[in-house]
Amino acid sequence: AAGVIQSPRHLIKEKRETATLKCYPIPRHDTVYWYQQGPGQDPQFLISFYEKMQSDKGSIPDRFSAQQFSDYHSELNMSSLELGDSALYFCASSLAGTAGNTIYFGEGSWLTVV
Amino acid sequence: AQTVTQSQPEMSVQEAETVTLSCTYDTSESDYYLFWYKQPPSRQMILVIRQEAYKQQNATENRFSVNFQKAAKSFSLKISDSQLGDAAMYFCAYKGDRDDKIIFGKGTRLHILP
Repeated sequence: AAGVIQSPRHLIKEKRETATLKCYPIPRHDTVYWYQQGPGQDPQFLISFYEKMQSDKGSIPDRFSAQQFSDYHSELNMSSLELGDSALYFCASSLAGTAGNTIYFGEGSWLTVV
Repeated sequence: AQTVTQSQPEMSVQEAETVTLSCTYDTSESDYYLFWYKQPPSRQMILVIRQEAYKQQNATENRFSVNFQKAAKSFSLKISDSQLGDAAMYFCAYKGDRDDKIIFGKGTRLHILP
């Protein structure tokens, strides 16, 4: 079965640079989520989109922005990168209305800021 | 606000034995969903099992089962016949029926002793 696809899988950027992460949800899923997981931490919710509209917002820095496109893929844009932004970024997707709205995660994108 | 607590940062179990991971949560909602996710060294986030709060019957998936105590707000995971491949970080997670996002506990690192 198709899963959530994230790209790139690994990314190295310098401080103050910009990075863009892409996410392709499971086909027919209408909701996309972004999570950030720092070293030794649990995943922290950043933002979610339902039917291309922002549906919820968590602890996402103002330097970050995201959107969901007409084909339901999503992009997370991170500007003025800081060392503390180094983390594993998960994208996840779900289909609203299904039992539990179970959220399925991609394999994550590793961002290293140097 | 909802919270998820995993009081066991680390646990160890002998291969082929049974182990139980604890999770408690706090919520004022009546309808919600609970999950256990497994994160192996590859850092992929894998859904292990899901429980709907309105169901009294405990969920079971092969060697994995839960003990869901709604009144006590407890949701423990039992792994039977532990295998080396079960070694991972296990996250308990909560999702309200009206919420998009899921909230994670801090995780329990499970070691399997050969």
